[in-house]
Amino acid sequence: AQSVTQLDSQVPVFEEAPVELRCNYSSSVSVYLFWYVQYPNQGLQLLLKYLSGSTLVKGINGFEAEFNKSQTSFHLRKPSVHISDTAEYFCAVINGGTSYGKLTFGQGTILTVHP
Amino acid sequence: EPEVTQTPSHQVTQMGQEVILRCVPISNHLYFYWYRQILGQKVEFLVSFYNNEISEKSEIFDDQFSVERPDGSNFTLKIRSTKLEDSAMYFCASRWRQAHYEQYFGPGTRLTVT
Repeated sequence: AQSVTQLDSQVPVFEEAPVELRCNYSSSVSVYLFWYVQYPNQGLQLLLKYLSGSTLVKGINGFEAEFNKSQTSFHLRKPSVHISDTAEYFCAVINGGTSYGKLTFGQGTILTVHP
Repeated sequence: EPEVTQTPSHQVTQMGQEVILRCVPISNHLYFYWYRQILGQKVEFLVSFYNNEISEKSEIFDDQFSVERPDGSNFTLKIRSTKLEDSAMYFCASRWRQAHYEQYFGPGTRLTVT
Protein backbone atom coordinates (compact mmCIF):
# COMPACT_ATOMS: atom_id res chain seq x y z
CA ALA A 1 0.00 0.00 0.00
CA GLN A 2 1.19 3.48 -0.72
CA SER A 3 1.85 6.07 1.95
CA VAL A 4 2.91 9.70 2.09
CA THR A 5 5.02 11.30 4.78
CA GLN A 6 5.33 15.02 5.23
CA LEU A 7 8.33 15.44 7.43
CA ASP A 8 7.40 18.77 8.99
CA SER A 9 4.07 19.40 10.66
CA GLN A 10 4.74 23.14 10.98
CA VAL A 11 7.10 25.45 9.15
CA PRO A 12 7.43 29.06 10.30
CA VAL A 13 9.23 31.43 7.96
CA PHE A 14 9.65 35.15 7.49
CA GLU A 15 8.18 36.98 4.54
CA GLU A 16 10.38 36.98 1.40
CA ALA A 17 12.44 34.05 2.69
CA PRO A 18 12.66 30.81 0.70
CA VAL A 19 10.80 27.75 1.89
CA GLU A 20 10.86 24.01 1.26
CA LEU A 21 8.11 21.67 2.40
CA ARG A 22 9.23 18.07 2.35
CA CYS A 23 7.29 15.07 1.12
CA ASN A 24 8.32 11.44 0.78
CA TYR A 25 6.19 8.65 -0.53
CA SER A 26 6.37 4.90 -0.59
CA SER A 27 4.90 2.85 -3.36
CA SER A 28 5.84 -0.29 -5.21
CA VAL A 29 4.45 1.01 -8.49
CA SER A 30 4.62 4.19 -10.48
CA VAL A 31 2.86 7.15 -8.94
CA TYR A 32 1.38 10.49 -9.80
CA LEU A 33 2.15 13.23 -7.29
CA PHE A 34 0.29 16.33 -6.21
CA TRP A 35 0.48 19.25 -3.85
CA TYR A 36 -2.71 20.81 -2.58
CA VAL A 37 -3.14 23.94 -0.48
CA GLN A 38 -5.88 24.58 2.04
CA TYR A 39 -6.45 28.14 3.17
CA PRO A 40 -8.33 28.65 6.45
CA ASN A 41 -11.97 27.59 6.18
CA GLN A 42 -11.63 26.67 2.53
CA GLY A 43 -11.39 23.50 0.48
CA LEU A 44 -8.35 21.96 -1.15
CA GLN A 45 -6.86 23.75 -4.14
CA LEU A 46 -4.47 22.05 -6.53
CA LEU A 47 -1.05 23.75 -6.52
CA LEU A 48 0.81 21.51 -8.93
CA LYS A 49 1.15 17.98 -10.18
CA TYR A 50 3.70 15.54 -11.53
CA LEU A 51 2.42 12.94 -13.97
CA SER A 52 5.41 12.32 -16.23
CA GLY A 53 8.17 14.12 -18.11
CA SER A 54 10.29 16.85 -16.58
CA THR A 55 10.94 16.21 -12.93
CA LEU A 56 10.71 19.90 -12.09
CA VAL A 57 7.13 21.07 -12.17
CA LYS A 58 5.82 24.57 -11.71
CA GLY A 59 2.50 25.45 -10.20
CA ILE A 60 0.41 28.39 -9.22
CA ASN A 61 1.50 31.22 -6.95
CA GLY A 62 5.20 30.76 -7.74
CA PHE A 63 5.50 27.28 -6.23
CA GLU A 64 7.51 24.48 -7.80
CA ALA A 65 8.31 20.91 -6.87
CA GLU A 66 10.90 18.37 -7.92
CA PHE A 67 10.19 14.69 -8.35
CA ASN A 68 13.10 12.53 -7.26
CA LYS A 69 12.43 8.89 -8.01
CA SER A 70 15.57 7.51 -6.36
CA GLN A 71 14.78 9.31 -3.11
CA THR A 72 11.01 8.86 -3.50
CA SER A 73 10.54 12.53 -2.74
CA PHE A 74 8.46 15.39 -4.07
CA HIS A 75 9.51 18.48 -2.14
CA LEU A 76 7.68 21.78 -2.62
CA ARG A 77 9.66 25.00 -2.86
CA LYS A 78 9.12 28.70 -3.22
CA PRO A 79 12.03 31.14 -3.49
CA SER A 80 10.26 34.03 -1.73
CA VAL A 81 7.10 33.62 0.32
CA HIS A 82 4.34 36.12 1.02
CA ILE A 83 2.06 36.53 4.01
CA SER A 84 -0.75 35.23 1.80
CA ASP A 85 1.02 31.86 1.48
CA THR A 86 0.10 31.08 5.06
CA ALA A 87 -1.95 27.90 4.77
CA GLU A 88 -1.80 24.14 5.17
CA TYR A 89 -0.11 22.21 2.39
CA PHE A 90 -0.82 18.59 1.56
CA CYS A 91 1.23 16.23 -0.51
CA ALA A 92 -0.77 13.46 -2.16
CA VAL A 93 -0.16 10.47 -4.41
CA ILE A 94 -2.17 8.38 -6.83
CA ASN A 95 -1.16 4.84 -7.66
CA GLY A 96 -0.27 4.88 -11.36
CA GLY A 97 -1.67 1.41 -11.84
CA THR A 98 -5.26 2.32 -11.11
CA SER A 99 -7.89 3.94 -13.27
CA TYR A 100 -10.03 5.27 -10.46
CA GLY A 101 -7.33 7.38 -8.91
CA LYS A 102 -7.94 7.67 -5.18
CA LEU A 103 -5.63 10.20 -3.54
CA THR A 104 -3.54 9.21 -0.54
CA PHE A 105 -2.60 12.26 1.48
CA GLY A 106 0.20 13.15 3.82
CA GLN A 107 -0.44 14.61 7.24
CA GLY A 108 -0.14 18.18 6.04
CA THR A 109 2.35 20.96 6.76
CA ILE A 110 1.18 24.23 8.21
CA LEU A 111 3.19 27.05 6.66
CA THR A 112 3.10 30.26 8.67
CA VAL A 113 4.65 33.33 7.09
CA HIS A 114 5.60 36.06 9.53
CA PRO A 115 6.11 39.72 8.58
CA GLU B 1 -14.43 28.95 -13.78
CA PRO B 2 -16.46 25.84 -12.97
CA GLU B 3 -16.19 24.58 -9.42
CA VAL B 4 -17.43 21.85 -7.14
CA THR B 5 -20.07 23.00 -4.67
CA GLN B 6 -21.21 21.37 -1.46
CA THR B 7 -24.19 21.89 0.82
CA PRO B 8 -24.64 22.48 3.64
CA SER B 9 -21.42 24.11 4.77
CA HIS B 10 -22.08 22.99 8.33
CA GLN B 11 -24.40 20.27 9.60
CA VAL B 12 -25.07 19.51 13.24
CA THR B 13 -26.87 16.28 14.03
CA GLN B 14 -27.54 14.01 16.95
CA MET B 15 -25.97 10.61 17.28
CA GLY B 16 -28.03 7.95 15.54
CA GLN B 17 -29.61 10.35 13.03
CA GLU B 18 -29.27 10.04 9.28
CA VAL B 19 -27.51 12.78 7.34
CA ILE B 20 -27.17 13.45 3.64
CA LEU B 21 -24.31 15.55 2.38
CA ARG B 22 -24.74 17.01 -1.05
CA CYS B 23 -22.27 17.84 -3.78
CA VAL B 24 -22.58 19.23 -7.27
CA PRO B 25 -19.47 18.17 -9.22
CA ILE B 26 -18.14 20.01 -12.25
CA SER B 27 -20.62 19.31 -15.02
CA ASN B 28 -18.59 17.31 -17.54
CA HIS B 29 -16.62 15.32 -15.01
CA LEU B 30 -16.97 11.55 -14.90
CA TYR B 31 -15.28 10.47 -11.66
CA PHE B 32 -16.52 11.44 -8.23
CA TYR B 33 -15.03 11.07 -4.77
CA TRP B 34 -15.70 11.61 -1.10
CA TYR B 35 -12.94 12.25 1.40
CA ARG B 36 -13.06 13.20 5.03
CA GLN B 37 -10.74 15.02 7.40
CA ILE B 38 -11.16 14.53 11.12
CA LEU B 39 -9.92 17.59 12.99
CA GLY B 40 -6.15 17.50 13.28
CA GLN B 41 -5.77 14.43 11.07
CA LYS B 42 -4.97 13.79 7.45
CA VAL B 43 -7.46 13.79 4.62
CA GLU B 44 -8.73 10.23 4.10
CA PHE B 45 -10.30 8.63 1.05
CA LEU B 46 -13.80 7.24 1.54
CA VAL B 47 -15.16 6.22 -1.85
CA SER B 48 -14.88 6.71 -5.58
CA PHE B 49 -17.79 6.55 -8.02
CA TYR B 50 -17.75 6.06 -11.77
CA ASN B 51 -20.33 5.04 -14.32
CA ASN B 52 -23.06 5.02 -11.69
CA GLU B 53 -21.38 2.61 -9.36
CA ILE B 54 -18.81 2.50 -6.61
CA SER B 55 -15.39 1.82 -8.11
CA GLU B 56 -13.40 1.71 -4.88
CA LYS B 57 -14.07 2.21 -1.19
CA SER B 58 -11.97 2.35 1.94
CA GLU B 59 -12.34 0.39 5.16
CA ILE B 60 -14.02 3.45 6.66
CA PHE B 61 -16.85 3.21 4.14
CA ASP B 62 -18.89 0.54 5.87
CA ASP B 63 -22.58 -0.33 5.63
CA GLN B 64 -23.52 2.90 7.36
CA PHE B 65 -22.37 4.88 4.34
CA SER B 66 -23.85 5.06 0.88
CA VAL B 67 -23.44 7.25 -2.18
CA GLU B 68 -25.77 8.13 -4.95
CA ARG B 69 -25.92 10.22 -8.08
CA PRO B 70 -29.68 10.58 -8.27
CA ASP B 71 -30.16 13.01 -11.14
CA GLY B 72 -26.99 13.35 -13.19
CA SER B 73 -25.83 16.48 -11.40
CA ASN B 74 -25.90 15.86 -7.65
CA PHE B 75 -23.65 13.42 -5.84
CA THR B 76 -24.66 12.57 -2.29
CA LEU B 77 -23.12 10.86 0.70
CA LYS B 78 -25.53 9.39 3.21
CA ILE B 79 -24.64 8.28 6.70
CA ARG B 80 -27.50 6.16 8.03
CA SER B 81 -26.88 6.30 11.77
CA THR B 82 -24.26 8.82 12.73
CA LYS B 83 -21.70 8.22 15.45
CA LEU B 84 -19.65 10.73 17.38
CA GLU B 85 -16.57 9.64 15.46
CA ASP B 86 -18.21 10.64 12.18
CA SER B 87 -17.63 14.26 13.12
CA ALA B 88 -15.30 15.57 10.44
CA MET B 89 -15.01 17.77 7.38
CA TYR B 90 -16.30 15.92 4.34
CA PHE B 91 -14.94 16.87 0.94
CA CYS B 92 -16.40 16.00 -2.41
CA ALA B 93 -14.11 15.93 -5.44
CA SER B 94 -14.55 15.34 -9.14
CA ARG B 95 -12.27 14.49 -12.01
CA TRP B 96 -12.77 14.88 -15.75
CA ARG B 97 -11.72 11.61 -17.34
CA GLN B 98 -9.30 8.72 -17.04
CA ALA B 99 -6.23 10.41 -18.54
CA HIS B 100 -6.66 13.48 -16.37
CA TYR B 101 -5.73 12.72 -12.79
CA GLU B 102 -6.40 16.12 -11.24
CA GLN B 103 -9.21 16.10 -8.72
CA TYR B 104 -11.10 19.29 -7.98
CA PHE B 105 -12.38 19.68 -4.47
CA GLY B 106 -15.41 21.38 -3.04
CA PRO B 107 -15.23 23.63 0.03
CA GLY B 108 -16.36 20.85 2.34
CA THR B 109 -19.20 20.19 4.76
CA ARG B 110 -18.35 20.26 8.43
CA LEU B 111 -20.38 17.54 10.14
CA THR B 112 -20.73 17.75 13.90
CA VAL B 113 -22.34 14.80 15.67
CA THR B 114 -23.48 15.48 19.23
